[in-house]
Amino acid sequence: GAGVSQTPSNKVTEKGKYVELRCDPISGHTALYWYRQSLGQGPEFLIYFQGTGAADDSGLPNDRFFAVRPEGSVSTLKIQRTERGDSAVYLCASSLIGGVGETQYFGPGTRLLVL
Amino acid sequence: GENVEQHPSTLSVQEGDSAVIKCTYSDSASNYFPWYKQELGKGPQLIIDIRSNVGEKKDQRIAVTLNKTAKHFSLHITETQPEDSAVYFCAASIEGDMRFGAGTRLTVKP
Repeated sequence: GAGVSQTPSNKVTEKGKYVELRCDPISGHTALYWYRQSLGQGPEFLIYFQGTGAADDSGLPNDRFFAVRPEGSVSTLKIQRTERGDSAVYLCASSLIGGVGETQYFGPGTRLLVL
Repeated sequence: GENVEQHPSTLSVQEGDSAVIKCTYSDSASNYFPWYKQELGKGPQLIIDIRSNVGEKKDQRIAVTLNKTAKHFSLHITETQPEDSAVYFCAASIEGDMRFGAGTRLTVKP
């Protein structure tokens, strides 16, 4: 594909439920990033993958959040026991190699609403 | 950790005028400073970036300046057009960990 794609585009769930958000990076990009964007705010860093491994997961807010990238391409962000405060747009980005100075290309995001 | 502040939060200009958005950062180790444009319902799109070994960079109507001593950088858009209306984010990066400002909503009035 031409760019980063994310599915679903919108997700509505109930408090306490489990959700999975998917990201398909640009083909050949080894680095993948997850961000969370609340209304009226800039994206907030969650986790950065280099290949299959999480190079930096310091932005994950608590242990209800987990992300995987088992084959070094597609990534899934998993949120357990969702809370209303988890409602936000979850953005995924990818870059060719990763690290400082690499252009990150963003997907359109998944809008998560927890009722 | 890095903290990025961005001003103003909203900016309204007349078509053809210039727009300036300013950001400050806290961590002197930051060495990559991109600017993103975000339109409603879309992900951020890179419009220009600058690295810490450069003081200024220009791309057509868009320019970015960086003052490492003062730890601030600015986006300049000249000859603004209605299609420039969007939310603009600055960011500062260390080792791939990118921190964003809160955004500036730019409105260009025809």
